[in-house]
Amino acid sequence: SQTIHQWPATLVQPVGSPLSLECTVEGTSNPNLYWYRQAAGRGLQLLFYSVGIGQISSEVPQNLSASRPQDRQFILSSKKLLLSDSGFYLCAWSPGVEVSKTQYFGPGTRLLVL
Amino acid sequence: GEDVEQSLFLSVREGDSSVINCTYTDSSSTYLYWYKQEPGAGLQLLTYIFSNMDMKQDQRLTVLLNKKDKHLSLRIADTQTGDSAIYFCAETPNTGGFKTIFGAGTRLFVKA
Repeated sequence: SQTIHQWPATLVQPVGSPLSLECTVEGTSNPNLYWYRQAAGRGLQLLFYSVGIGQISSEVPQNLSASRPQDRQFILSSKKLLLSDSGFYLCAWSPGVEVSKTQYFGPGTRLLVL
Repeated sequence: GEDVEQSLFLSVREGDSSVINCTYTDSSSTYLYWYKQEPGAGLQLLTYIFSNMDMKQDQRLTVLLNKKDKHLSLRIADTQTGDSAIYFCAETPNTGGFKTIFGAGTRLFVKA
């Protein structure tokens, strides 16, 4: 069966510090991968998605970046965090060939920038 | 453009039915979804409906799709306190891409 992992679960970082959040998927090949941010009490904002290794599409201009160094690994990074980067970051995957495009979400990383 | 709208809050008594409504704008959407998010957790797919269907039932859940009005609803029968969560409506536009558009979520409160 497929599983998706995110770490860390919780992170408190000072403004201006770097960020690296990791997401890995097990039990599937060539998934589509997604990073979302959910601000407190709000909906989901799609940040990046990837349909293959090294292929990243950015949805919102910001100080975040994403990379996909391996088929089932998706990394969200920042060189200098802003206060506004605080939120709940969700990684998701969908089967590359499935017509329904159902997305399966990880447990999330709660980031607090102080 | 693509947009999905939902009311933000719904409060029901335990044992009553809950109906969460959603409207979407992209008439080409092929799949529409309902996801559930419990506090501090990721989203969990509850059910989805293909655009050529009007209704889908799965145990206590009933999804109704009105394509003419671009309206999707989720009915939860015999609502329990464990159903308290945020429910997200989502659509996948039929543009050949991989994006899913999510609503802002409806927070369901179930009173005992």
